[in-house]
Amino acid sequence: GESVGLHLPTLSVQEGDNSIINCAYSNSASDYFIWYKQESGKGPQFIIDIRSNMDKRQGQRVTVLLNKTVKHLSLQIAATQPGDSAVYFCAEPPQSHNTDKLIFGTGTRLQVFP
Amino acid sequence: NAGVTQTPKFRVLKTGQSMTLLCAQDMNHEYMYWYRQDPGMGLRLIHYSVGEGTTAKGEVPDGYNVSRLKKQNFLLGLESAAPSQTSVYFCASSYRGTSTNEQFFGPGTRLTVL
Repeated sequence: GESVGLHLPTLSVQEGDNSIINCAYSNSASDYFIWYKQESGKGPQFIIDIRSNMDKRQGQRVTVLLNKTVKHLSLQIAATQPGDSAVYFCAEPPQSHNTDKLIFGTGTRLQVFP
Repeated sequence: NAGVTQTPKFRVLKTGQSMTLLCAQDMNHEYMYWYRQDPGMGLRLIHYSVGEGTTAKGEVPDGYNVSRLKKQNFLLGLESAAPSQTSVYFCASSYRGTSTNEQFFGPGTRLTVL
């Protein structure tokens, strides 16, 4: 598959444990954030999003937490499975109130071992 | 539905050659995007389109041109390929008219310029 990031930060977790992937952003006016998952050899896939008027949003086995005070976003994956192994990206629009475009972070590689 | 498809999947060019990458989507999305992805980096937006007949520059537009003659197709052209354009290229599309931006990605095209 494609080399999506030879020098990415890597998080290694044991199957069944919870995973926490972090993302920092710089624009305090940012009002919308998205998490994407990219498996080896594939395009990114939407996981979950959150607006700035929320500090937590839950999906199936995933939770996104937003801390606007320190401009920090995290993605929590419960009971991590081998199929969760991928590179995870956070993304945000470059301008507030305009979701025409997204700016992606550099990504974090999640490795799940048995 | 096929979703977002990209043609070709792989291509090797010599410096100075030209080529066109084709992206097609069958979801009737208004917005379409071209990104490039390099090792250790996230996705960087090259060009995008918010509707048929319209295009706009992204973060890294130099050396590329695009056209959106039909709503379902978005073409990315390299007029004179350079080794710096060796990358994996992803096309994406999204629906207009929502306050979010869930982009649907194609499988990618790996381009090598010698």
